[in-house]
Amino acid sequence: EPEVTQTPSHQVTQMGQEVILRCVPISNHLYFYWYRQILGQKVEFLVSFYNNEISEKSEIFDDQFSVERPDGSNFTLKIRSTKLEDSAMYFCASSGRDGGELFFGEGSRLTVL
Amino acid sequence: GESVGLHLPTLSVQEGDNSIINCAYSNSASDYFIWYKQESGKGPQFIIDIRSNMDKRQGQRVTVLLNKTVKHLSLQIAATQPGDSAVYFCAETFQSGYSTLTFGKGTMLLVS
Repeated sequence: EPEVTQTPSHQVTQMGQEVILRCVPISNHLYFYWYRQILGQKVEFLVSFYNNEISEKSEIFDDQFSVERPDGSNFTLKIRSTKLEDSAMYFCASSGRDGGELFFGEGSRLTVL
Repeated sequence: GESVGLHLPTLSVQEGDNSIINCAYSNSASDYFIWYKQESGKGPQFIIDIRSNMDKRQGQRVTVLLNKTVKHLSLQIAATQPGDSAVYFCAETFQSGYSTLTFGKGTMLLVS
């Protein structure tokens, strides 16, 4: 069964450092998303991406965040200068069509010290 | 602001019992609702969805009920099994745009 894969599964970084989280969406999907979940809290939308551009973003997704699809298979989330409050589980998701079912990866846990 | 929320943070049931997980939503413009299951250390997994033009939808051992009058959503799991133990989230979205989901806080289901 096709799945969304994410790397790394866990990353520990120092405050102020840049972090790149990587995702390989399901191969024929066209819509890509990042969500995050702070420990013990609900899953929150960050950004959606389609046709090589951001289609929607939340207020969480400030100038420290960026997304990129550098090639035909990867979808990355970059945090330019991490803050303590960026510590969370980051989930990548993809869907095959607008409004279609989202398939989530298993997440990348980011710990900022 | 408008949000999706859950009534019960933790639900404990015996194996074989039926489970009911509830969710209240406040945005009447939402037209698509989804239940997700999240096991420890994993991402949300789609369980079942329902569109606002329906009030009930059944899957395998699961049923989702939508009451638009009181803006209430429920997930019923029949014959609950230990493998059903997880956190369950309801989520809402709008089909007029991209699939940006607004999640509720989650309910932990414990099956013993």
